[in-house]
Amino acid sequence: KNEVEQSPQNLTAQEGEFITINCSYSVGISALHWLQQHPGGGIVSLFMLSSGKKKHGRLIATINIQEKHSSLHITASHPRDSAVYICAVAGSGSRLTFGEGTQLTVNP
Amino acid sequence: KAGVTQTPRYLIKTRGQQVTLSCSPISGHRSVSWYQQTPGQGLQFLFEYFSETQRNKGNFPGRFSGRQFSNSRSEMNVSTLELGDSALYLCASSRDSEEKLFFGSGTQLSVL
Repeated sequence: KNEVEQSPQNLTAQEGEFITINCSYSVGISALHWLQQHPGGGIVSLFMLSSGKKKHGRLIATINIQEKHSSLHITASHPRDSAVYICAVAGSGSRLTFGEGTQLTVNP
Repeated sequence: KAGVTQTPRYLIKTRGQQVTLSCSPISGHRSVSWYQQTPGQGLQFLFEYFSETQRNKGNFPGRFSGRQFSNSRSEMNVSTLELGDSALYLCASSRDSEEKLFFGSGTQLSVL
């Protein structure tokens, strides 16, 4: 069993839909990162959180430390949100363990 | 403010050769970490440097090494290249460990 599990692996949505990507982990962590990777490889850090909830524009990330679970929500999805979303947990410093990623496709 | 710069962007090597990849962090960032991404294994942590000291190391063989200079620029070296070393190598910088990471565009290494 992987230390970091993401679901779903693939997600197709229509523009405007509310999207949720889930991440469960089995190890102790100091922080959890949500990353976005577009074709071509560039990775952007969306959120780093260790408790509670963070919001940036249409993106919301939550974490439940007791349940070892985090969710990334996208409200009013748009085709430009199409990308791979990756959950990563930090055990120590920048030593990250990554999930396999969720391929999101938003159709117009 | 310039972002994280990785050079070269693409690299082709043959088995047995060695390669050095470079990463220039955002000005003021003292932590640089390296990651390998392959279709089969996904993203994996290689190592992290902070103020010229290796802080963390992932589960990679000794052929993978790195260093950080006094200006925080970092290099990673892979010796005796194998076909399986073909991957996208990404570096990320942050002001300190356990802070938001800023990634470079990566170096795509192909080993023939």
